[in-house]
Amino acid sequence: DQQVKQNSPSLSVQEGRISILNCDYTNSMFDYFLWYKKYPAEGPTFLISISSIKDKNEDGRFTVFLNKSAKHLSLHIVPSQPGDSAVYFCAAINTGTASKLTFGTGTRLQVTL
Amino acid sequence: DGGITQSPKYLFRKEGQNVTLSCEQNLNHDAMYWYRQDPGQGLRLIYYSQIVNDFQKGDIAEGYSVSREKKESFPLTVTSAQKNPTAFYLCASSTTRVGEQFFGPGTRLTVL
Repeated sequence: DQQVKQNSPSLSVQEGRISILNCDYTNSMFDYFLWYKKYPAEGPTFLISISSIKDKNEDGRFTVFLNKSAKHLSLHIVPSQPGDSAVYFCAAINTGTASKLTFGTGTRLQVTL
Repeated sequence: DGGITQSPKYLFRKEGQNVTLSCEQNLNHDAMYWYRQDPGQGLRLIYYSQIVNDFQKGDIAEGYSVSREKKESFPLTVTSAQKNPTAFYLCASSTTRVGEQFFGPGTRLTVL
């Protein structure tokens, strides 16, 4: 049972435009969400996170939106740059009971010139 | 420089052999994790440890074993019982702050 889903395996965006990566979850007990970025043959690096008490968190070009009623979060990258080309994973956790993250399957973002 | 090291980056083994993947961290983190990544799939948790001398099975622990004798080290043994061992293995660690994990560079294991 995939509790965290990223339904788009890939996304192509032109440089300078907005990239929107989506993530859905089924477990209503998740209360903290993270986005990781991963280049090939490297470990993921933490990008941005959001607590369920918020609906938006912003860090430079990266903004994460959380819609709890829809169990949906999205990562916006504005403006997109070629160096943003990577695989993006969303992850979720129930901070009250669990110490392990549940990851989605990832979305490969390609930013074209 | 604080961080997580995994060695080696590439590892080749013959079928039927056990192999141990190294993971060391100098971040003073209590918790450590092992994940496996296969093409087109997300990160799947193999084992995790929240404290020295204690560890728990993750979602796909069969065919793997771990030890946590030191805070800095969390080696993973891929045994001959693991049916599909060829994969990219990632080690991570975290503080007591819930959520954010720091990952090592990974080890690509190929079983011939």
